[in-house]
Amino acid sequence: KQEVTQIPAALSVPEGENLVLNCSFTDSAIYNLQWFRQDPGKGLTSLLLIQSSQREQTSGRLNASLDKSSGRSTLYIAASQPGDSATYLCAVSWNAGGTSYGKLTFGQGTILTVHP
Amino acid sequence: AAGVIQSPRHLIKEKRETATLKCYPIPRHDTVYWYQQGPGQDPQFLISFYEKMQSDKGSIPDRFSAQQFSDYHSELNMSSLELGDSALYFCASSLGHPGYNEQFFGPGTRLTVL
Repeated sequence: KQEVTQIPAALSVPEGENLVLNCSFTDSAIYNLQWFRQDPGKGLTSLLLIQSSQREQTSGRLNASLDKSSGRSTLYIAASQPGDSATYLCAVSWNAGGTSYGKLTFGQGTILTVHP
Repeated sequence: AAGVIQSPRHLIKEKRETATLKCYPIPRHDTVYWYQQGPGQDPQFLISFYEKMQSDKGSIPDRFSAQQFSDYHSELNMSSLELGDSALYFCASSLGHPGYNEQFFGPGTRLTVL
């Protein structure tokens, strides 16, 4: 079964710390992987998309890496700020015979709290 | 920049009633996806459309149906509502073939079934 797991479930850090969120997936046949941020009761904001042929993507203080062979992706947040507090979700679009139908399978998310 | 628009934002219905959720994708986006997120859960894929044709189907109950119209907006029709249908319903859109590009999510419709 194709599943996505995120560890840890929750993380609390002081402001300014660099941190890493982990995402693992059971099937290496992925088409791409997307990281999202979700504030309580709100929609999902796309942070980064990594295609299966890429090793990493960067956007501002965020850097996401992808290792298909080990079934892992990490989201690195540099110099964390209280405004980064949210739930971070990774989601996988699986490779179906060289293409993708677009359905995203989500992890359970990591609840991040950055305290001043 | 224009984002995905969903209406209504909040909806309260009684059991066995029907509901229609609407989604307006980002301009030029031709693929629309629907997801359901229950309390404390991750989003679950329901159905998607590309160029007005259904492209994939997930765990969508037979009581639900959806379509994409000629202007690419989509509607999710839900009938015989049950208490368990209470959730946040997200629409997402992307450009081109499903799954090839980044999916952008709307703010969601919060459905409460009493």
